[in-house]
Amino acid sequence: GEDVEQSLFLSVREGDSSVINCTYTDSSSTYLYWYKQEPGAGLQLLTYIFSNMDMKQDQRLTVLLNKKDKHLSLRIADTQTGDSAIYFCAERSGGATNKLIFGTGTLLAVQP
Amino acid sequence: DAGITQSPRHKVTETGTPVTLRCHQTENHRYMYWYRQDPGHGLRLIHYSYGVKDTDKGEVSDGYSVSRSKTEDFLLTLESATSSQTSVYFCAISESGRIRGYEQYFGPGTRLTVT
Repeated sequence: GEDVEQSLFLSVREGDSSVINCTYTDSSSTYLYWYKQEPGAGLQLLTYIFSNMDMKQDQRLTVLLNKKDKHLSLRIADTQTGDSAIYFCAERSGGATNKLIFGTGTLLAVQP
Repeated sequence: DAGITQSPRHKVTETGTPVTLRCHQTENHRYMYWYRQDPGHGLRLIHYSYGVKDTDKGEVSDGYSVSRSKTEDFLLTLESATSSQTSVYFCAISESGRIRGYEQYFGPGTRLTVT
């Protein structure tokens, strides 16, 4: 079945780069997403990548997709304390229902 | 920010009582979803809607029902609340269309505690 896995925790120092990893199992996934959740808030869409792309860059964010290994990563350059949050990856399988499967989330802690 | 509101934002209720959560959107998006978020499980889909009066079950639908009588409103009902339904509930919306990547936008959430 469909499954999305992430590591639970990542700690970095302010100014360093952060890399959050995600693996998925559904080879028919068409889009993959990264969401950010700050304490007490809803999920904020950061970026997404279509499955025929290898990389997408958006300001400090770089998404890398390795379809062969079903591996997705989110790199945050020059990490700031405001980047501290839980990051979720999600996959959209094929079909018309637009359903997403979410990972369990990675807590990013940025140390000053 | 997408125009999505959820009400109530917080609720405490007793086991066995009915509870209805409301999601309201001003974006006129076709698809609406209800998720629950629990530690160690990420977000899990409860029910979703693909149009007025068109709904279907997600992966954790037992004990929940939904209704959508208008494009803008999607209601989630717990017919008889149980302690296992203590959770944070999120509503999301999306519009079909490859150009926009089918992305979903989330409401602020409702924290429900069943005692």
